Amino acid sequence: GEDVEQSLFLSVREGDSSVINCTYTDSSSTYLYWYKQEPGAGLQLLTYIFSNMDMKQDQRLTVLLNKKDKHLSLRIADTQTGDSAIYFCAESPNTGGFKTIFGAGTRLFVKA
Amino acid sequence: DAGVTQSPTHLIKTRGQHVTLRCSPISGHKSVSWYQQVLGQGPQFIFQYYEKEERGRGNFPDRFSARQFPNYSSELNVNALLLGDSALYLCASSLTGGEGGQPQHFGDGTRLSIL
Repeated sequence: GEDVEQSLFLSVREGDSSVINCTYTDSSSTYLYWYKQEPGAGLQLLTYIFSNMDMKQDQRLTVLLNKKDKHLSLRIADTQTGDSAIYFCAESPNTGGFKTIFGAGTRLFVKA
Repeated sequence: DAGVTQSPTHLIKTRGQHVTLRCSPISGHKSVSWYQQVLGQGPQFIFQYYEKEERGRGNFPDRFSARQFPNYSSELNVNALLLGDSALYLCASSLTGGEGGQPQHFGDGTRLSIL
């Protein structure tokens, strides 16, 4: 079946690193994504990784992909209060009929 | 450059009515997808359109329909509204719409409330 799972909550102190984890089910996915949603807003594409990569770094963001375990993680270095939001992991299966499947989202709380 | 724009931003309807939501993609993007996001959940795929043709459909009833126009803008129509249709409706655009995905850029959504 198709499913993307994430933990629901994460709380960190300002300046620490945050790590948000995700597991997915479809190994055919070409792209895996991380989106950010702030209250009352749509989804902001944070970063994405091709399935033939193990790691991608973009400023404070590091994405790690473990294809064997179908595990994706997002690390945010030097987490700031402005990073407080809901983070969604998503995949686009090659056999999925052109759809993107989202997890339920991880709510990140950053304490000052 | 303008991002994905959606209208209206908020809408209140009653059960049994019909609604039309509109979306303009990023300039140069030819694919538009629609998602429903119920409070506390991730977005659920409804449709994808590319070059005015439906390329994919999620597990939604026939009350939901959509179309894409020659300028690549899109409309989502929902008939016979139910209380359970209350949600944030998100539109996303991408350059193309290949199976296996492409990075999508989202609008801020239309919040639909059914009374």
